Amino acid sequence: QVQLVQSGAEVKKPGASVKVSCKASGYIFDDFGLTWVRQAPGQGLEWTGWINTYNGNTESAQKVQGRVTVTAEKSTGTAYMELRNLRTDDTAVYYCARVFWDGAGSYGVDHWGQGTLVTVSS
Amino acid sequence: DIVLTQSPGTLALSPGERATLSCRASQGVSSSYLAWYQQRPGQAPRLLIYGTSTRAAGIPDRFTGSGSGTDFTLTITRLEPEDFVVYYCQQFGDGRWAFGQGTKVEIK
Repeated sequence: QVQLVQSGAEVKKPGASVKVSCKASGYIFDDFGLTWVRQAPGQGLEWTGWINTYNGNTESAQKVQGRVTVTAEKSTGTAYMELRNLRTDDTAVYYCARVFWDGAGSYGVDHWGQGTLVTVSS
Repeated sequence: DIVLTQSPGTLALSPGERATLSCRASQGVSSSYLAWYQQRPGQAPRLLIYGTSTRAAGIPDRFTGSGSGTDFTLTITRLEPEDFVVYYCQQFGDGRWAFGQGTKVEIK
């Protein structure tokens, strides 16, 4: 069965960096994309970025552009999201999730990791 | 970037009633690029609808998606007790993706 297992919770100080991992299993890794979505406490979902694991192309949200790097290792089936120069408003649960596209070109996000809480506090 | 605005913010209905949730885009979105998710407290989101109107695997037929251009709708025909949670739309167009701010469906 499809599983996305994320690394554990992190506590960081403002200005530091964090790197969250997402280990995929149960499917062919580069047949699907991977996206990162965050959710601040009590708030809605915020798209952060995604990677096409087949060709390595990435895109990120304007709010974090320049501070975020999304990568993927085909050899291990693991994706990473690194966020630099952390701010207190980066405090959130970060989810990795699988992106699919069907024969008609429709996109969706169908499997999600368990989430990783990143707390930024001085 | 395309911004999605969901309305209403909160919808108060009774079990068995029909729920109509709106998602409006700041510019046109291809029907292939619009999805809906359900999120229960403390859980990751669950995909309900993709490609505007295609139900994801295992989603009951009381959930229906429709729309085009800038206006999209999620309809829940007969609310069950487990449907009283939060719903989000997402667009995949324009390179940068985005979610709406969510609609909470609560018991009246």
